[in-house]
Amino acid sequence: ETGVTQTPRHLVMGMTNKKSLKCEQHLGHNAMYWYKQSAKKPLELMFVYNFKEQTENNSVPSRFSPECPNSSHLFLHLHTLQPEDSALYLCASSQDLGLSYEQYFGPGTRLTVT
Amino acid sequence: DAKTTQPTSMDCAEGRAANLPCNHSTISGNEYVYWYRQIHSQGPQYIIHGLKNNETNEMASLIITEDRKSSTLILPHATLRDTAVYYCIVHPGGTSYGKLTFGQGTILTVHP
Repeated sequence: ETGVTQTPRHLVMGMTNKKSLKCEQHLGHNAMYWYKQSAKKPLELMFVYNFKEQTENNSVPSRFSPECPNSSHLFLHLHTLQPEDSALYLCASSQDLGLSYEQYFGPGTRLTVT
Repeated sequence: DAKTTQPTSMDCAEGRAANLPCNHSTISGNEYVYWYRQIHSQGPQYIIHGLKNNETNEMASLIITEDRKSSTLILPHATLRDTAVYYCIVHPGGTSYGKLTFGQGTILTVHP
């Protein structure tokens, strides 16, 4: 248990569906992240939030829409996805954005787009 | 950003020490070396990090060479549960705070 939870753990959705991924951290951290891990590829950073403000958007397509209502919760809203968006989506948090703050990852949501 | 080079895969016998090398010859003075691991189908797990001194915690030891161009992660008594992909990451500074860049890592397989 890392103190970071993600729901759902598995999700299958059609290309016309709208769904949301949820992440919650119970660590009192100020920074939260979304990563994508496709098969056979390294983890890719998608978004960074610090004190609820987005500080990084790593050229992510607009069909992925993040939301951070408070420092403990992070959402990733999905709409009109493509099959190539099928991947493991990981949420992480850290105390802050500083150099020496390690990140704690959730278990991920395995997304399949049909 | 400083790049890292790791072997693609390594094997280790259960109970023996696992020594995982990492080269980061272009590391700059304010960059930390981080190690994470990812067990199959789980999120990455933080292991240890260091700047220039050797570090030890309950999971592992990190040995950084004096010129900081390479490092070694040591798991002193590997178990089957240590089978995972191990990532060596040099954390960029400046405006890239918080931005971990994961490479392909080293697949460590611990054998009975």
